[in-house]
Amino acid sequence: DAKTTQPPSMDCAEGRAANLPCNHSTISGNEYVYWYRQIHSQGPQYIIHGLKNNETNEMASLIITEDRKSSTLILPHATLRDTAVYYCIVRVGPSNDYKLSFGAGTTVTVRA
Amino acid sequence: DTGVSQDPRHKITKRGQNVTFRCDPISEHNRLYWYRQTLGQGPEFLTYFQNEAQLEKSRLLSDRFSAERPKGSFSTLEIQRTEQGDSAMYLCASSSLGQGSNEQFFGPGTRLTVL
Repeated sequence: DAKTTQPPSMDCAEGRAANLPCNHSTISGNEYVYWYRQIHSQGPQYIIHGLKNNETNEMASLIITEDRKSSTLILPHATLRDTAVYYCIVRVGPSNDYKLSFGAGTTVTVRA
Repeated sequence: DTGVSQDPRHKITKRGQNVTFRCDPISEHNRLYWYRQTLGQGPEFLTYFQNEAQLEKSRLLSDRFSAERPKGSFSTLEIQRTEQGDSAMYLCASSSLGQGSNEQFFGPGTRLTVL
């Protein structure tokens, strides 16, 4: 799996958009970008994934650059409950691969 | 609650003792995964099952670790002769091969403390 690089931490104001960057410059053509988050004392939670097109669901939006070497997860209106560690993962899938390789992630703190 | 469940949530044991954890995946999920997470780090893959077959084991899974999924439903992870370095959160996840996004759903984890 391609390696990802994320900032170790970032702060965000409640109600504002949170933009979480991820670099994956060695991504292969058949690898997807996945985002998970882990709230304190809980298991990781799937957020969103994409291959090359931008994706949006009820939780977040995923913007992938045209060269696919980086992406941004956008939490449109951050709440205090969005405080968590966010993991950007690149992997072959979704139907072929079987394990997730987590890095250290970005610790996001949403402040009132 | 139809999510992934794990039991116990917390386990404190003395070095050298054996411990066993249980994971109940989401019903009809055919893939089940075990991960280990130490403080400040992301989860690390240990092993996974497709139905009852254990298809891969990480090198992190020493001979003291054994995992089973006898009927393709719940799974157990046993650690024999525990060491202080085994202290960690043990996470279980499940997914359904070939359906939807194949996302993995995680349980709340079992936190092991070896004294």
